[in-house]
Amino acid sequence: GENVEQHPSTLSVQEGDSAVIKCTYSDSASNYFPWYKQELGKRPQLIIDIRSNVGEKKDQRIAVTLNKTAKHFSLHITETQPEDSAVYFCAASKERGDTGRRALTFGSGTRLQVQP
Amino acid sequence: DTGVSQDPRHKITKRGQNVTFRCDPISEHNRLYWYRQTLGQGPEFLTYFQNEAQLEKSRLLSDRFSAERPKGSFSTLEIQRTEQGDSAMYLCASSFTRGLETQYFGPGTRLLVL
Repeated sequence: GENVEQHPSTLSVQEGDSAVIKCTYSDSASNYFPWYKQELGKRPQLIIDIRSNVGEKKDQRIAVTLNKTAKHFSLHITETQPEDSAVYFCAASKERGDTGRRALTFGSGTRLQVQP
Repeated sequence: DTGVSQDPRHKITKRGQNVTFRCDPISEHNRLYWYRQTLGQGPEFLTYFQNEAQLEKSRLLSDRFSAERPKGSFSTLEIQRTEQGDSAMYLCASSFTRGLETQYFGPGTRLLVL
């Protein structure tokens, strides 16, 4: 089955700096890659997602890049703010021929701390 | 609130007891997923439904676990003869089978087995 590895496990940056979180996946058939933000005690919230037919997607301070050949994708957060502090999860899924998209396989998470 | 809802939010039980959790998806979503999340880890897939049909079950879902979605709307997840290792956050998510099929998560049910 799919395996998603995520690093670093913790990341501390100064407010205003950029943060980059990287994930690799094992199944070359995976074609959908969402990123979720989870604050302590709260539900995972989708922050950005990308399909494999797109190499990059940007939404204000957040961007995701995908390298299908290397099977890795990254989350970039620019001009970080203290409210960006949370755990970030990457995930991957693929289409099943008979029943459509499979469930998400998640990475182990990155705890981002933005120091004011 | 039009998001995914789960009930109860917290459950404490003794080992060996049965527990049941409920998930209400976003109303127009036909797909419903159950995940389990332990401390410091990402959610792990348990099972999912399209309408009332259970399409896939993870190997994590032992025979003590059963899930239903009888009318294609809300779903229940039952754990029989709970064990301490079942202590975790149980998350439900829903999606619509169109476009990116983005999954939206509920707040979760935190289970503690004593």
